[in-house]
Amino acid sequence: SQQGEEDPQALSIQEGENATMNCSYKTSINNLQWYRQNSGRGLVHLILIRSNEREKHSGRLRVTLDTSKKSSSLLITASRAADTASYFCATDAMEYGNKLVFGAGTILRVKS
Amino acid sequence: NAGVMQNPRHLVRRRGQEARLRCSPMKGHSHVYWYRQLPEEGLKFMVYLQKENIIDESGMPKERFSAEFPKEGPSILRIQQVVRGDSAAYFCASRGAPSNQPQHFGDGTRLSIL
Repeated sequence: SQQGEEDPQALSIQEGENATMNCSYKTSINNLQWYRQNSGRGLVHLILIRSNEREKHSGRLRVTLDTSKKSSSLLITASRAADTASYFCATDAMEYGNKLVFGAGTILRVKS
Repeated sequence: NAGVMQNPRHLVRRRGQEARLRCSPMKGHSHVYWYRQLPEEGLKFMVYLQKENIIDESGMPKERFSAEFPKEGPSILRIQQVVRGDSAAYFCASRGAPSNQPQHFGDGTRLSIL
């Protein structure tokens, strides 16, 4: 499988519940980023966590990084209908250029 | 206008025609990346450019695809003699220095080949 695999592929929850998405990768990284994509739109940058960081918060978002397991998780607390979107993790690998390697994403649906 | 601007948003071409996709990076950003997204898939890296230079084109198909980022003006992704398989959403991202800054994406160009 390719770098930056997310699971689950799809997640459906009720408004107010928490949503957790996971991402695994294969190679050493500089950092890992999470993006959101609404249908038909571009990607919105949510949060960047560096390889020497273990946890980061931004509003209702919490990201963890475990470099020993080569995995990351994105937690959205108290979800809202507006959080409905696709979520992608992207790794910035240890090579010149900082091109991002994306997984296939998790489709999150928050029902009101 | 503070964001990455891509145009056109939608582009329809017939097989064999040329497609030109434009990207204006965020103000002050001199690093531009192009990605392609097929339906229900993640983005795949195509090419990384700085002003007047191609830094990494390892994701570009060997034929028909080219990219440039001139000293003045937007970055251009050019696809010659398009085929049905070129139908996809093409996204541009830009970042500033240093290299660990996040990439900011445009809304993409959706290319449809008839």
